[in-house]
Parts: sequence; C-alpha cells; structure tokens
Amino acid sequence: GQNIDQPTEMTATEGAIVQINCTYQTSGFNGLFWYQQHAGEAPTFLSYNVLDGLEEKGRFSSFLSRSKGYSYLLLKELQMKDSASYLCAVSGGYQKVTFGTGTKLQVIP
Amino acid sequence: GAVVSQHPSRVICKSGTSVKIECRSLDFQATTMFWYRQFPKQSLMLMATSNEGSKATYEQGVEKDKFLINHASLTLSTLTVTSAHPEDSSFYICSAKGEYGYTFGSGTRLTVV
Repeated sequence: GQNIDQPTEMTATEGAIVQINCTYQTSGFNGLFWYQQHAGEAPTFLSYNVLDGLEEKGRFSSFLSRSKGYSYLLLKELQMKDSASYLCAVSGGYQKVTFGTGTKLQVIP
Repeated sequence: GAVVSQHPSRVICKSGTSVKIECRSLDFQATTMFWYRQFPKQSLMLMATSNEGSKATYEQGVEKDKFLINHASLTLSTLTVTSAHPEDSSFYICSAKGEYGYTFGSGTRLTVV
C-alpha cells in the first residue's frame, strides 16, 4: 500500500526559512514530487526528485533520501504569496502518483 | 511547456443528472491520464488511471459504473459522473503524463444540488 505523511499545518514568518517534511512508504518508487496548491486552484509543479540529494531551484529546494523514505521541501526568503498547501507525492508502480494529505503553510508578517 | 486544458471549470447540476468533464493535452501526447478528486481541506485522491485505447483502472472504492472514463485519443480523456448526487460535489482534477512528466488540468468544481 501507499502511506505518505506530512505535517498538517505550519506557520512561518515572512523572510524566514521553513522546511516541510514528508515520509513515505510505498510499493514501488520512481520519484517524489512537490506541488504547491492555492485554495480552489489546481496544484502547480515545484520539484521532482529521483536520486538522493538536494536539488535547488531558486528559493525552493527539495531533498530526497530513498533509503530513509524521506524528503523535505525547503523554502527560503518566505513571501506572503507562499502561503498555500504543499503536497508531497510519490510516483510508484504503474506510474501512479499518490499524494500526501498536504501541509498548509501560513506565512505571517 | 506542456499544457492541459480542463473543461468546464465550474458546473452546477441537478441531482440525478450526468456531467461530463473533458481533459485535453494541448501540445503533447498523453500516454496516460489520471483523474483525481479533492474534497475541501483534503488532498488529492486518485480515482482512476486511463491509457489511450484501453479500459481505465479504478482505485479501490471508486465505482466504475458511476464514474465513466473514456480515453479515446492521446490528447483527450473524459470523466462522466453519472446520476450525480450531492455527495459527488467535489473538485475534480485530471493529470496527463507525457514525455516531460505530469501536467495538471485547472480542475472542475462540481456542485450537485
């Protein structure tokens, strides 16, 4: 089966750094995605990790450890517009992408 | 970049009627399309996976006779919610897998009254 865990909610201050963790136990693993979703909108792609390590893309970075079934999304220099839900998703067997419950991030002034 | 067009964006229908949602990949061929449902304050739940020209594979607990999926071409998949009931009210999102990964449609907000 698929089990993907992330914190339900987080709060961080504008300009700060926040790390959103994701742990997973899945049958099959092809890669791990992070998506951003604002309320009422479809998810937008942030990152895709296939190999272990850190991948940096501007203010956002994503880390993966396949042996530990662990990933995190790191957001730097937080802006108010970063307030959204962040979804961790795993691509497993049969190309299926399974989503975690999402972490609602609130950025405060 | 890859674009997926999903229509309609919002629909209100009467209980007992059917609603069709379309998902088109505009500039790439989608070998596989996925349909998700998202209830308020919850994450996306995969409903079914469809490959062009073959029957869709439904997730456990999803009624195949109620949620009809057709993937007639490499650029079009449709989801028809048959005999809709208020509990089917939700946000439905498609995702298409192409050469460069997964792309989501903009979603359809279905309200059954």
